[in-house]
Amino acid sequence: AAGVIQSPRHLIKEKRETATLKCYPIPRHDTVYWYQQGPGQDPQFLISFYEKMQSDKGSIPDRFSAQQFSDYHSELNMSSLELGDSALYFCASSLVRGGYEQYFGPGTRLTVT
Amino acid sequence: QQQVKQSPQSLIVQKGGIPIINCAYENTAFDYFPWYQQFPGKGPALLIAIRPDVSEKKEGRFTISFNKSAKQFSLHIMDSQPGDSATYFCAASSEGAGSYQLTFGKGTKLSVIP
Repeated sequence: AAGVIQSPRHLIKEKRETATLKCYPIPRHDTVYWYQQGPGQDPQFLISFYEKMQSDKGSIPDRFSAQQFSDYHSELNMSSLELGDSALYFCASSLVRGGYEQYFGPGTRLTVT
Repeated sequence: QQQVKQSPQSLIVQKGGIPIINCAYENTAFDYFPWYQQFPGKGPALLIAIRPDVSEKKEGRFTISFNKSAKQFSLHIMDSQPGDSATYFCAASSEGAGSYQLTFGKGTKLSVIP
C-alpha cells in the first residue's frame, strides 16, 4: 500500500538559512499534519491542513510557514534557521471520513550547523 | 504541562513476556486514543487505537484497555518478541471538538531480551 512520502530525507543547513520540506500524503487522504520531534522527545504538533485550508495550529514558530497545494501535497517552509530547529520533521496524513487515523511518513532529518 | 502522561519511561522484558505501558490524561475532551510504535530514525507507525465507547480492543498481539472514569488507558503486548523492541507512544486527540492534532506521551523504550 502507498505510504506518506517525504523529501528530502536528510537536510543540512547553516544558521539563518531557509529550508523547505515536502510531504506527499497517501492517495485520497485529505488532511496533512506536520510534527517536530527533537532527540529523545515525543512528536510535537506544528500545523495541519484539511482540503487545502489550515485547520489547526500548534507550537509552530512564526519563522515557519506551511501550505497545502491543489494536489494535496504540503510544504513546510522554515526561515532564519536556528540550531534548536535541528530535529526530525514528520508529516502525517489522514482521511477525515475514514476514521481520522494518522499515518506518518519516514521523516526529514534536519540538521542546522 | 504534559497533557498525556506515560509510564514507565523504559521497560525490559524477557521474550514471551507481557509488557504493559500505561497512560493517563486530564483533558476530558480527548476522545480518540492511538498507540504508535517507533524504531530509531523511522516514522511512528500506528499500532492500534480506541475510542471511549469501548473498554478493550485487541488486534493481533496488541491489546488496549481503557478506563474512562479513571482517564487511563494501557497497551499490553502479548508473547513479546525481540522484534518488538522499539519506543511506544500513546497519544490522544479531540475529534469531537474538531481538533485532530495528536498529543503524545513522552514514550516508553521497550527492550525484549531473547
